[in-house]
Amino acid sequence: AQTVTQSQPEMSVQEAETVTLSCTYDTSESDYYLFWYKQPPSRQMILVIRQEAYKQQNATENRFSVNFQKAAKSFSLKISDSQLGDAAMYFCAYGLVFGKGTKLTVNP
Amino acid sequence: DTEVTQTPKHLVMGMTNKKSLKCEQHMGHRAMYWYKQKAKKPPELMFVYSYEKLSINESVPSRFSPECPNSSLLNLHLHALQPEDSALYLCASSQRLAGNYNEQFFGPGTRLTVL
Repeated sequence: AQTVTQSQPEMSVQEAETVTLSCTYDTSESDYYLFWYKQPPSRQMILVIRQEAYKQQNATENRFSVNFQKAAKSFSLKISDSQLGDAAMYFCAYGLVFGKGTKLTVNP
Repeated sequence: DTEVTQTPKHLVMGMTNKKSLKCEQHMGHRAMYWYKQKAKKPPELMFVYSYEKLSINESVPSRFSPECPNSSLLNLHLHALQPEDSALYLCASSQRLAGNYNEQFFGPGTRLTVL
C-alpha cells in the first residue's frame, strides 16, 4: 500500500525568505503523479504543484518548486519569497493518499 | 468552469435529524469523492464514485449514505449522526478515477456540527 509521510508538523518562515517542506512516499509503481495541496485557514484546498514521475525535470509554478528525487522517494516543496498569503496547511499527496500535513506560518 | 461547489456551507443538526449535503461540478469529470476532515488533519477518504457508480467505500458507517444522481452531482445523506461526526466534509472531483494519477479539484466544504 502507498504511504505518504510529512515529518514536519509545523514550520515557520520570515516574509520574503525561502522555506522547504519535506515529503517522502512509498510505492512499488514506476509511473505516477505527486501533488502538493494548500489549504489556507477556513478556505478551499487548492492544488499548488504537480510532479509527473516519468519527468526528470522538477516542476515549478512561479514561486513554488519541487525537489523530486525518485530513487529516494522524496518530494519536497520549496516556497521562495514567502508571502503572508502562503500561510496554510500544506498536504503532500500520492493518488488518494495524503500526508498528515505541515502547518506553515509566515512571520511579517 | 473549473469549480466544485458545495451546499450548504454550514450545517447544524441534531442526532435524530436527516439532512443532505450537495456537491456539483461542471468540468465533465467522471470521478467524484467525499472526504471527512477534522481540524488540522488530512482529509479522510469516505466514498468514491466513478461513472456514477460507487467504486470505493472506506468502511463508512451506514448513517452516511452517498448518492450520485448524474455525472455532475454528488449527494451525501446524513441520518442519526453522532457528535463525533462533526467535521468539515469535502467534495472533490477528477477527470477519471485513475489510480496513481488522480489530480483532484476540491470544493470549499460543508462545516457540519452535530449536537
